[in-house]
Amino acid sequence: DARVTQTPRHKVTEMGQEVTMRCQPILGHNTVFWYRQTMMQGLELLAYFRNRAPLDDSGMPKDRFSAEMPDATLATLKIQPSEPRDSAVYFCASGSSPGGGAQETQYFGPGTRLLVL
Amino acid sequence: GNSVTQMEGPVTLSEEAFLTINCTYTATGYPSLFWYVQYPGEGLQLLLKATKADDKGSNKGFEATYRKETTSFHLEKGSVQVSDSAVYFCALTRSEKLVFGKGTKLTVNP
Repeated sequence: DARVTQTPRHKVTEMGQEVTMRCQPILGHNTVFWYRQTMMQGLELLAYFRNRAPLDDSGMPKDRFSAEMPDATLATLKIQPSEPRDSAVYFCASGSSPGGGAQETQYFGPGTRLLVL
Repeated sequence: GNSVTQMEGPVTLSEEAFLTINCTYTATGYPSLFWYVQYPGEGLQLLLKATKADDKGSNKGFEATYRKETTSFHLEKGSVQVSDSAVYFCALTRSEKLVFGKGTKLTVNP
């Protein structure tokens, strides 16, 4: 049963520290999405990649957040320096879209629950 | 812009009751519409989808019909079970991006 995996599942850190979250998309999927979920804002798209190239990161605070895909099996989301307002659940999702399009189904990982003190 | 509005929760029902969760959308053109479900401590799972007007998505006893005239995609189930307790998200996709509603928490009591 193919699944998106995310590590770590939980992270507690202090303000100012660097946080790295990792995602392994489903093998063969060429699109990866990063979302943030909070009680106040709900689910927000931060960034997404197709074939490892960033397509849109307009939802991401540029000064402290960065997202990369070092290879097809790994996506990373970094926060440096972290702040208490970054506390949230961060989800990775992957999909398969040979030519792009609105019907692509996204498969979500279990999320990384981040708490910044 | 594109947005999704769904009924505020929480919703509490008894087992075997009828469920409706309302969802309306605003979008340019004709988006695809989705319902996702999130069980406690887990990520979102696709429940059903519809890609054009009058399409009906269905899965696990849940149904939703894409209504262009009312810009709605209401989720229904005839007889809920305790195992249906979860948060339900309505979403649309435009230009490959998913836009979610705020979510509706459903609790089903035995």
